[in-house]
Amino acid sequence: EAGVAQSPRYKIIEKRQSVAFWCNPISGHATLYWYQQILGQGPKLLIQFQNNGVVDDSQLPKDRFSAERLKGVDSTLKIQPAKLEDSAVYLCASSLDGGQQETQYFGPGTRLLVL
Amino acid sequence: AQTVTQSQPEMSVQEAETVTLSCTYDTSESDYYLFWYKQPPSRQMILVIRQEAYKQQNATENRFSVNFQKAAKSFSLKISDSQLGDAAMYFCAYRSANFGNEKLTFGTGTRLTIIP
Repeated sequence: EAGVAQSPRYKIIEKRQSVAFWCNPISGHATLYWYQQILGQGPKLLIQFQNNGVVDDSQLPKDRFSAERLKGVDSTLKIQPAKLEDSAVYLCASSLDGGQQETQYFGPGTRLLVL
Repeated sequence: AQTVTQSQPEMSVQEAETVTLSCTYDTSESDYYLFWYKQPPSRQMILVIRQEAYKQQNATENRFSVNFQKAAKSFSLKISDSQLGDAAMYFCAYRSANFGNEKLTFGTGTRLTIIP
């Protein structure tokens, strides 16, 4: 079974530029999560999708971050414009249906460096 | 809001020995789930073990076991017969049992080094 795929693996941009990350969850997984992991910290949830609907985006900085999950499969996370403090690893995870019994499976992450 | 605290930024253990990683958490909920995740240098987060709060029996997975103390809000991970492949960052995580609140709340992690 293929795992969660993410691209790109690394990205370097200058502040005020835009960037987009892509995630393809495990086939059949209805729930998709985006986490931000700043160096030296644990991951923090940015947004959770159930199919193509948003369940929780309370910690998403909506003035600069946006995310979508068209057709309930792949998802894209965008930052526009980027700030220095956005430098982090962006992790995508998926689970079967988001139920409490479900394990979240993580992708390899996208490491973003904002200069 | 729930918080997870890992007070050991770094730990090291001799190969084949046993090591225990500490985790405490704060919550007002009575039903929840606790996890230990492993993050090797490749950055892929892997589930090591999980514990349901309503279960009194401590979870075990081969060389990995937990000591879950609900009253003390403590959830430590014991790794027996440590192997070189166990070297990684280990994160303790909490998840509510309430519907619609499936996010994981992570601690800051413990970097485990295995000494050959």
